[in-house]
Amino acid sequence: GQSLEQPSEVTAVEGAIVQINCTYQTSGFYGLSWYQQHDGGAPTFLSYNALDGLEETGRFSSFLSRSDSYGYLLLQELQMKDSASYFCAVKPGGSYIPTFGRGTSLIVHP
Amino acid sequence: IAGITQAPTSQILAAGRRMTLRCTQDMRHNAMYWYRQDLGLGLRLIHYSNTAGTTGKGEVPDGYSVSRANTDDFPLTLASAVPSQTSVYFCASSEGHRDTDTQYFGPGTRLTVL
Repeated sequence: GQSLEQPSEVTAVEGAIVQINCTYQTSGFYGLSWYQQHDGGAPTFLSYNALDGLEETGRFSSFLSRSDSYGYLLLQELQMKDSASYFCAVKPGGSYIPTFGRGTSLIVHP
Repeated sequence: IAGITQAPTSQILAAGRRMTLRCTQDMRHNAMYWYRQDLGLGLRLIHYSNTAGTTGKGEVPDGYSVSRANTDDFPLTLASAVPSQTSVYFCASSEGHRDTDTQYFGPGTRLTVL
């Protein structure tokens, strides 16, 4: 089976940088995704890493180390609207359907 | 606007009743999914469909059934609802079932079973 570990909650101040870590155990591996979900809303896709390294999309970056079974989401220049839950998800070998972590609640303070 | 719609938005249901949650997408995506989301447990896959006419079981399929008669619709049925099925249900779709395919989620259905 698959398991993912991510912190349950992270707090930061507006304008700061925050990193949300995700470690995983899976039999086979295709890639690591990140999704954002605001309270009461639908999860929305942020990024996908299939290869080692950093992927940058505006203020958000995502990193993957396949050898360490580890990834992180980096949010820069934090804004109040970034307060949300962030989920990492792995696509294990043999299945293209992602398995989601339990999510990290990011609270951004003024 | 293209996307996924779900109905109803919310529902309170008596235990033992039958309930169908509706999901429709207009993106002509081949793959569709049903997840339930419970506090502290993230998103757990109930059932999925890689293409019209096929379905598969996810992590928590017991008590639920699905059908995929066409590309656009993927209803989820609770044959006899129980309180443990109280949850928020999200339908999702993806273009295919390749490793690079992104999932797009509907707005969710909040279901309470009393």
